[in-house]
Amino acid sequence: QKEVEQNSGPLSVPEGAIASLNCTYSDRGSQSFFWYRQYSGKSPELIMFIYSNGDKEDGRFTAQLNKASQYVSLLIRDSQPSDSATYLCAVRSGNTPLVFGKGTRLSVIA
Amino acid sequence: DVKVTQSSRYLVKRTGEKVFLECVQDMDHENMFWYRQDPGLGLRLIYFSYDVKMKEKGDIPEGYSVSREKKERFSLILESASTNQTSMYLCASGIGTTEAFFGQGTRLTVV
Repeated sequence: QKEVEQNSGPLSVPEGAIASLNCTYSDRGSQSFFWYRQYSGKSPELIMFIYSNGDKEDGRFTAQLNKASQYVSLLIRDSQPSDSATYLCAVRSGNTPLVFGKGTRLSVIA
Repeated sequence: DVKVTQSSRYLVKRTGEKVFLECVQDMDHENMFWYRQDPGLGLRLIYFSYDVKMKEKGDIPEGYSVSREKKERFSLILESASTNQTSMYLCASGIGTTEAFFGQGTRLTVV
């Protein structure tokens, strides 16, 4: 059974700080890694994807991947109250369906 | 923009009813998925399809079936609704190894 693990939180950070969200996965054959944001009562929306080891930056978001450690993270710089949401890590191997973690709830305190 | 549309935002059904949840995508995606999401359990895959008339069981297919007669439409069927099927149902679509795009979700309550 492929597993994706996330700390459920809540992770509380002050406005303007860096939020760091972490995810580990069990399947060494995993090739694609995604971060989704889900506001309460809404559906998940994609914010980042990463396929190669290292960092990938998009605005205030940075995804980091370490395949040797089976670890992927999401950094949110200059956190805003509007970033308060649940962040879902998802992993896939080839053309198989995405496997999701249970999500980390982030709360940004103004 | 990719659009994945689910037929209902909220639905209330009685125990034993046959329930149809419809999902339509407008981007000619090959892959379509049905998930349910419950507090503390995360997103769990019910069924998926990689082509018309093709279907594969996910992690929790019991009590559900699906239909994909056209590429753009993927329907989830609850054969005989039960209270433990009360949940948020999310449809998604995608191509190959890329990300999945989600519909707005259907919150189903079975009473």
